[in-house]
Parts: sequence; C-alpha cells; structure tokens
Amino acid sequence: AAGVIQSPRHLIKEKRETATLKCYPIPRHDTVYWYQQGPGQDPQFLISFYEKMQSDKGSIPDRFSAQQFSDYHSELNMSSLELGDSALYFCASSLGGHRMWGYTFGSGTRLTVV
Amino acid sequence: TQLLEQSPQFLSIQEGENLTVYCNSSSVFSSLQWYRQEPGEGPVLLVTVVTGGEVKKLKRLTFQFGDARKDSSLHITAAQPGDTGLYLCAGGGSGYALNFGKGTSLLVTP
Repeated sequence: AAGVIQSPRHLIKEKRETATLKCYPIPRHDTVYWYQQGPGQDPQFLISFYEKMQSDKGSIPDRFSAQQFSDYHSELNMSSLELGDSALYFCASSLGGHRMWGYTFGSGTRLTVV
Repeated sequence: TQLLEQSPQFLSIQEGENLTVYCNSSSVFSSLQWYRQEPGEGPVLLVTVVTGGEVKKLKRLTFQFGDARKDSSLHITAAQPGDTGLYLCAGGGSGYALNFGKGTSLLVTP
C-alpha cells in the first residue's frame, strides 16, 4: 500500500540558508500535518492543511511557511535556518482531518544545519 | 495545549516479561492514539481508543482508555525484542492537531 512519501530523506544546510521539504500524502487523504522532532523529544506540531487550506497552526516559527497544493502534496519552506532547526521533520496525512482514524506518518526528513 | 504525561520514561526488561506504560492527562480527550516509533523513522499507529473504558487488543498488546477519557494504558504481555521502540500516546485537542506525550522508551533484551 502507498505510504506518505517525504523528500529529501536527509538534508544538510548552512546557517541562514533556505530549505524546502516535500510531502506526498496517501492517495485520497486530504489532510496533511507537519511535525518537528528534536533529538530525544516528542513530535511537536507545526501546521496542518485540510483541502488545501491551513486548518491548524502550532509552534511554527515565522521563518517557516507551508502550503498544500492542488494535488494535495505539501511543502514546508524554511528560511534563515538556525542551528536549532536541526531535527527530524515528519509529515503525516489523514482522511478528512479525522483524528479518530489516526495519522499515517512518513519516514521523515532529517535536517542538519551546520 | 492539552498535556499528556507518559510513564515510565524509560523501561528496560528481559524477553518474556510483562509491562505496562501509562498516559495521563488532566484533560478529556475525544480519542487517544498509541504509536510506536523506531529510531530515525516516523511513528506508526498502533491503535485508537474512543470510548471511555474501552479495551482493545492487538496480539500481545492491550490498550485501555480510562472511564473519564483522561488516561490510557498499554500493557504488553511476554515482551519480545521486536517490541523495542518508543511508545507515544497522542490525543486531539480542539483543532486538527494531535498532541504527543514525551514517550516511553522500551528496550527488551533477549
């Protein structure tokens, strides 16, 4: 079965550079979520989109932005990268924004800022 | 933000032992979910509990949702090395987002 696809799998950037992370949800899933997980930390919610509209906003820095496109894939754009942005970034998708059915997570993008 | 507290934070046991991990909150949740995460990978959904007092079984894993829908437990019978991982509980707030607990890191040694 198709899963949530994230790219790239690994990314190394220098401070003050920009990065774009991509997420392709499970087919027919219309809700996408972005989470950031630092070393030894639990996933922290950043932002979500339902039917291409922002549905919820968490602890996403102003330097980051995201959107969901017509084909339901989503991109997380990160600018002015800081060392503290180094983390695993997960995308998850669900059908209809329905938490009770659970999220399917991708394998994540490991971002390292040097 | 509705906080979820998980305990214990770390657990190291031998193969064949039983264990229980807990997820507690002062808030009421419409549902709670349990995920297992392996290093460098995304969390994988194990179960969703919805009804207060609900018990769900997944092979050797038993999940229970508290009557007041504020807490949940995960019991593993006869743990195996393949059960090793980070167990995360997650609950929904008023919005779309799931809030995660800090997890219980389980190590099962042969």
